[in-house]
Amino acid sequence: EVQLVQSGPEVKKPRESLQISCKGSGYSFTNYWIGWVRQTPEKGLEWMGIIYPGDSDTRYSPSFQGQVTFSVDKSINTAYLQWSSLKASDTAMYYCAATDGSNVYYFAYWGQGTLVTVSS
Amino acid sequence: IVLTQSPGTLSLSPGERATLSCRASHSVTSDYLAWFQQKPGQAPRLLIYGVSNRATGIPDRFTGSGSGTDFTLTINRLEPEDFAVYYCHQYGSSRGTFGQGTKVDMK
Repeated sequence: EVQLVQSGPEVKKPRESLQISCKGSGYSFTNYWIGWVRQTPEKGLEWMGIIYPGDSDTRYSPSFQGQVTFSVDKSINTAYLQWSSLKASDTAMYYCAATDGSNVYYFAYWGQGTLVTVSS
Repeated sequence: IVLTQSPGTLSLSPGERATLSCRASHSVTSDYLAWFQQKPGQAPRLLIYGVSNRATGIPDRFTGSGSGTDFTLTINRLEPEDFAVYYCHQYGSSRGTFGQGTKVDMK
């Protein structure tokens, strides 16, 4: 069974850094793209980008390019989403999701979400 | 590509048919169009990919159709568990976008 388990909720202050994680199991982690999706009540679901764990090929949405960094650690089947300097507007639920293969880009499997709250 | 879903809310009764629309600002590459269902407090769930292919375990009352810039999700004979928010999603050229969602609620 494919599972994606995300790290727990975070409460941070503006300008702090943060890394959240997404651990995959039940499939070949290096062969499926991992994506990140932001959700807020105001904007709904937003596609942030994807990373291919096999070679770390990364595609960012223009809206998130330069704002966040994706990375993976293949040795522990884990993907990461990182901020170097958080803003209040980063407050959201963040989902990781995996595709169903290396040549497809729809998200077949989803993590449970990580709630990030940024407030002074 | 901007995806615009309509209506914003659909109020129906169990047993009725729901017809949800998703219109793209440009033609969707290679029919890379998916639909997701999301219930409160849960992650989205894949229903349809490639315009009309049902994901594993999705009942056949869910049907996707369309091409180019106009796509439809039809839910025949609504069941109580189908009342949720539905999102369309295009994933062409490995750059994705989501629609803003259609809420199907119980009349």
